Amino acid sequence: GAVVSQHPSWVICKSGTSVKIECRSLDFQATTMFWYRQFPKQSLMLMATSNEGSKATYEQGVEKDKFLINHASLTLSTLTVTSAHPEDSSFYICSARRVAETDTQYFGPGTRLTVL
Amino acid sequence: AQSVTQLDSQVPVFEEAPVELRCNYSSSVSVYLFWYVQYPNQGLQLLLKYLSGSTLVKGINGFEAEFNKSQTSFHLRKPSVHISDTAEYFCAVSAAGGFKTIFGAGTRLFVKA
Repeated sequence: GAVVSQHPSWVICKSGTSVKIECRSLDFQATTMFWYRQFPKQSLMLMATSNEGSKATYEQGVEKDKFLINHASLTLSTLTVTSAHPEDSSFYICSARRVAETDTQYFGPGTRLTVL
Repeated sequence: AQSVTQLDSQVPVFEEAPVELRCNYSSSVSVYLFWYVQYPNQGLQLLLKYLSGSTLVKGINGFEAEFNKSQTSFHLRKPSVHISDTAEYFCAVSAAGGFKTIFGAGTRLFVKA
């Protein structure tokens, strides 16, 4: 149990376009999901915390209008990178916490975004 | 606030040898501690976690870690590694009952034949 999926696994887009990444908890309900960004050979940087039915909480330095997060249900959160630029190219990883298990995050497989 | 330091960026080791990946943390409150493994172009997989109780924690794939409060450490060990253990390993900490998890910079374990 505790499987998290992400879609797409990789995406290439042109500069100026928007890209949506989905994060789904497949076999559990997640009141909280997290979005991370990972640069090559570096650690995970928390971008925002997404709570079902409410606005996301963004970390300092993360542009809210640039990275739109929607947590529409207990099993789905989406990250939209708006007007993407080459510097937004990165590996984006989501994680989810089960409702009854608040100490552990379960991670998705990640999405590789390349902006040309 | 919590912080975590992984003391080694890379650890090369021969197959079937033992390995220890070091992790130190700092916190003014009680903590939860985690080790995750990441294979190339994949997400993170939980190896083990310490929440409370026994300081020796056993995880998947033969890994174990020991919580040492006095030394604020949570080192990861495996008595005999395999080629397939080659991956990036992340130590992470969160305040007990807290919301955010802070990740270390990662340690690249490279197992050689």
